[in-house]
Amino acid sequence: VMTQSPDTLAVSPGETATINCQSSQSVLHSSDNKNYLSWYQQKSGQVPKLLIKWASTRESGVPDRFSGSGSGTDFTLTISSLQAEDVAVYYCQQYYKTPTFGQGTKVEIK
Amino acid sequence: QVQLQESGPGLVKPSGTLSLTCDVSGGSITSNKWWSWVRQPPGKGLEWIAEISHSGSTNYNPSLRGRVTISVDKSKNQFSLKLNSVTAADTAVYYCAREYDSDGYYGYFDCWGQGTLVTVSS
Repeated sequence: VMTQSPDTLAVSPGETATINCQSSQSVLHSSDNKNYLSWYQQKSGQVPKLLIKWASTRESGVPDRFSGSGSGTDFTLTISSLQAEDVAVYYCQQYYKTPTFGQGTKVEIK
Repeated sequence: QVQLQESGPGLVKPSGTLSLTCDVSGGSITSNKWWSWVRQPPGKGLEWIAEISHSGSTNYNPSLRGRVTISVDKSKNQFSLKLNSVTAADTAVYYCAREYDSDGYYGYFDCWGQGTLVTVSS
């Protein structure tokens, strides 16, 4: 089970948004020492977009204000210097076992 | 650049079968090992349904196993989903997605179709 917090987050433009994701079991694979954890952004009415893979590797074309961190069971997506275009719902996903997503965190502009 | 496009009926009757197809364009379906279906009920989160390899190997979400069948047609460069005995709870936007091959494990989804809304109603 993937649990995200908070459910909703209101941040002023230019400030930092921090989203947490906790897995009920470790997603760190001993065979390759990689965390099988990704992050997606879904803007209203749009398709989910891959932001981060392997917990901290930014997908090509994703602005560097998006960063992922964490290992094992606890992970964080950080959006530095939040912009209006970052308003969206963000999901974490583990692919260590049968893929599951967190319930989503809605990021709003304060 | 690979693009995915879902197609199928937008309305299915309760107890009926939901059938969707995902057309892969801009590249061969054999260029990637795994292809998946993900769904999202209106206003809710994402749920992975199933995956298939281009050689026909399959894996299913245990919560849906028994009702779901995924298949691939390499000659048509497409893969398909069938979900039977549907109820209102199966009403959702259904996405097809390309899944990164983690060398034998599950992967992340790096390319998505636009999604198609399927409503289960009489």
